[in-house]
Amino acid sequence: NAGVTQTPKFRILKIGQSMTLQCTQDMNHNYMYWYRQDPGMGLKLIYYSVGAGITDKGEVPNGYNVSRSTTEDFPLRLELAAPSQTSVYFCASSGQETQYFGPGTRLLVL
Amino acid sequence: KQEVTQIPAALSVPEGENLVLNCSFTDSAIYNLQWFRQDPGKGLTSLLLIQSSQREQTSGRLNASLDKSSGRSTLYIAASQPGDSATYLCAGASGGSYIPTFGRGTSLIVHP
Repeated sequence: NAGVTQTPKFRILKIGQSMTLQCTQDMNHNYMYWYRQDPGMGLKLIYYSVGAGITDKGEVPNGYNVSRSTTEDFPLRLELAAPSQTSVYFCASSGQETQYFGPGTRLLVL
Repeated sequence: KQEVTQIPAALSVPEGENLVLNCSFTDSAIYNLQWFRQDPGKGLTSLLLIQSSQREQTSGRLNASLDKSSGRSTLYIAASQPGDSATYLCAGASGGSYIPTFGRGTSLIVHP
């Protein structure tokens, strides 16, 4: 089992550019999540999904979009990158209990 | 809405000391509470999960307790080692959803 994988590991974007952060899990989990982590601020939930075809907003969804066409994949889309989106992004998955996290994507918007 | 607070934000102890990390939450209708460890530049690793029907969970030198009536959970680390240095986060899920709310974490340094 690879668990939760995320690509890329690091990316620099210019203001206004778009990109997709990829997340894949091989544990057949129904629940998947996207968080952002800023220094000293803990994790903020961006979007989550309770199964293929079902997504919902978290605490900080503005500027992001998601889709869940399969159980395994949960990509996060940034359409118009802004400096405020500089952060570390974590994807996670779970059954109804323990969450498993990916290694993170560090994003810098300049 | 569940709110989770962790005190202290940072802790530095000498090797060998027994220590307690605190986590408080506002919604006592908690479904479960998890403790995670995060090393610098890495993702989170689950340490212990306590269901609402349980009072505590143990794994090696780690023991986590849950007191729903007081809205508190503690993570006890016995005989701390420099390798325990990391940030420890707690997360509580409540209100019928399985979506955990995270605290900001306690940054632990164990010095030799």
